[in-house]
Amino acid sequence: DSGVTQTPKHLITATGQRVTLRCSPRSGDLSVYWYQQSLDQGLQFLIQYYNGEERAKGNILERFSAQQFPDLHSELNLSSLELGDSALYFCASTSGQMNTEAFFGQGTRLTVV
Amino acid sequence: AQRVTQPEKLLSVFKGAPVELKCNYSYSGSPELFWYVQYSRQRLQLLLRHISRESIKGFTADLNKGETSFHLKKPFAQEEDSAMYYCAPYTGTASKLTFGTGTRLQVTL
Repeated sequence: DSGVTQTPKHLITATGQRVTLRCSPRSGDLSVYWYQQSLDQGLQFLIQYYNGEERAKGNILERFSAQQFPDLHSELNLSSLELGDSALYFCASTSGQMNTEAFFGQGTRLTVV
Repeated sequence: AQRVTQPEKLLSVFKGAPVELKCNYSYSGSPELFWYVQYSRQRLQLLLRHISRESIKGFTADLNKGETSFHLKKPFAQEEDSAMYYCAPYTGTASKLTFGTGTRLQVTL
């Protein structure tokens, strides 16, 4: 157990809908990363938060947004869902310092039908 | 632009054969380098980090700053090594932990 919790584990929804994925980081970790893993795309970095503030942005679509709350948990909001958004969404947490290990959640498998 | 490249999507080797998973990076400054592994149906986990100069499960990785490479090596592959392997440079200034596209290692009998 990495200490990073993601909910839900599985999500099936229709095109055009909006979903929220939740991530609770490891106790004491200030930084949260979100990634999308598709079959043929590997692990794509979406966005990173550090202590409530957005720190870095990757290839995140405008339909997607995220935030980190004062208790450090983070939510990834995906709207106007398309079939191509079906993927595994991982979050990871680190202390925010260099050379530290990133701890991953089990992921949320999103299926858009 | 910062980039990490893992040129092989799939690497298939026989049990007992040597393994080399390639990783090349193009980053300004001096990133710290990590290898992560994802076994089937499990979460990603750290395999090793350059700064520790450690050997985990028989794997080692050598940083070659001249070639900007951080290849992962193991002299004798085992069946349980079958997994996805991701190279991950980390730059503190950009605070980004970016992964390569990954290489699937398949060890067969």
